[in-house]
Amino acid sequence: DAKTTQPNSMESNEEEPVHLPCNHSTISGTDYIHWYRQLPSQGPEYVIHGLTSNVNNRMASLAIAEDRKSSTLILHRATLRDAAVYYCILGSGGSNYKLTFGKGTLLTVNP
Amino acid sequence: EAGVTQFPSHSVIEKGQTVTLRCDPISGHDNLYWYRRVMGKEIKFLLHFVKESKQDESGMPNNRFLAERTGGTYSTLKVQPAELEDSGVYFCASSQDYTEAFFGQGTRLTVV
Repeated sequence: DAKTTQPNSMESNEEEPVHLPCNHSTISGTDYIHWYRQLPSQGPEYVIHGLTSNVNNRMASLAIAEDRKSSTLILHRATLRDAAVYYCILGSGGSNYKLTFGKGTLLTVNP
Repeated sequence: EAGVTQFPSHSVIEKGQTVTLRCDPISGHDNLYWYRRVMGKEIKFLLHFVKESKQDESGMPNNRFLAERTGGTYSTLKVQPAELEDSGVYFCASSQDYTEAFFGQGTRLTVV
């Protein structure tokens, strides 16, 4: 499985935007970029995914570099509820939707 | 609509005993996955069902683990006999397609 690199931890203040980076220099042409997060004592939760173009949904935005070797998850206004571990995962799509979780980024949101 | 439900939420068993974990996926989701996180490690894939068939069981650690999915609905994961290193949190997820998986709250298994 293609590997991703994320910072171990990041800190933000409530109501401010948060940019969570992810490097995936060995991404293949068919790999989707998925983001999941895990809140304390809960199962992982889908956030967003994309292939080439930037994506927006109600939770976040995903900015994908033109060469696709990196991406950034953007939380437009962090809330205390956004404190979680965020995982950037590459998936080949199709019938092989096997998520390979790394260590992720622990996001702390300060009130 | 109900999400993915896992039973029990916690289980404490003695080494050598048998434990069965259950997962009820979201209705209509053909894809069902099992994952686990053992202490201090990352979440690891165990296996993937498409309806009642095992699509990929490459992550199953050994033959003490048996997963079934009766009639393509709920799934069970049996550990027999349980060992200390099996302790961890077992997650089930389901999906309708291959873009978004919905995870349950997990079953915390402690083997003593």
